[in-house]
Amino acid sequence: GAGVSQTPSNKVTEKGKYVELRCDPISGHTALYWYRQSLGQGPEFLIYFQGTGAADDSGLPNDRFFAVRPEGSVSTLKIQRTERGDSAVYLCASSYRGRETQYFGPGTRLLVL
Amino acid sequence: QKEVEQNSGPLSVPEGAIASLNCTYSDRGSQSFFWYRQYSGKSPELIMFIYSNGDKEDGRFTAQLNKASQYVSLLIRDSQPSDSATYLCAVNKPSFGSSGGSYIPTFGRGTSLIVHP
Repeated sequence: GAGVSQTPSNKVTEKGKYVELRCDPISGHTALYWYRQSLGQGPEFLIYFQGTGAADDSGLPNDRFFAVRPEGSVSTLKIQRTERGDSAVYLCASSYRGRETQYFGPGTRLLVL
Repeated sequence: QKEVEQNSGPLSVPEGAIASLNCTYSDRGSQSFFWYRQYSGKSPELIMFIYSNGDKEDGRFTAQLNKASQYVSLLIRDSQPSDSATYLCAVNKPSFGSSGGSYIPTFGRGTSLIVHP
């Protein structure tokens, strides 16, 4: 595709539920990043994939958060037992080799009631 | 101390003026520095990056880097109302656990710029 796409664009869920957020990177980009952005803050790094493997997951806040990228392209961020504090915009970005410019998707706005 | 610090603003400048946005960082191992623009409700988009000390110009934008002072700035000349947005400074550090030399950006909270006609 022309750019990074993310689905859904908005997600409303109830506390305690499980959610999955999807990211489809730019074709050919080997590096994929997940960020979380709260209102009035900059993006906060969560996890970085190089190919299929998670090269750096040091930003995941706790074990309720997990992400996969089984075929080295599409990635899914999974959040178990959601909490109200998980409400934020979840951004995905991709880059060609991990050293280069990152291109952001439009984000998924998650609201946990 | 936060890793990347920016004044949240808002910074208000008249149309046609120079807007100066500043950012400091704490990790001397930081390798590269990025400025992103983010319109309200949209995702960040890269304006420019800089790796070496000194100035780098691209159209109306100039990035300035001073590694000794751990300071990076963005100047916007001839500011336009369409430049009104939040400007995010991002600093790349080597990725923990990576053997491939990749980098993870740490973002500041952003500075809100308002250019009024």
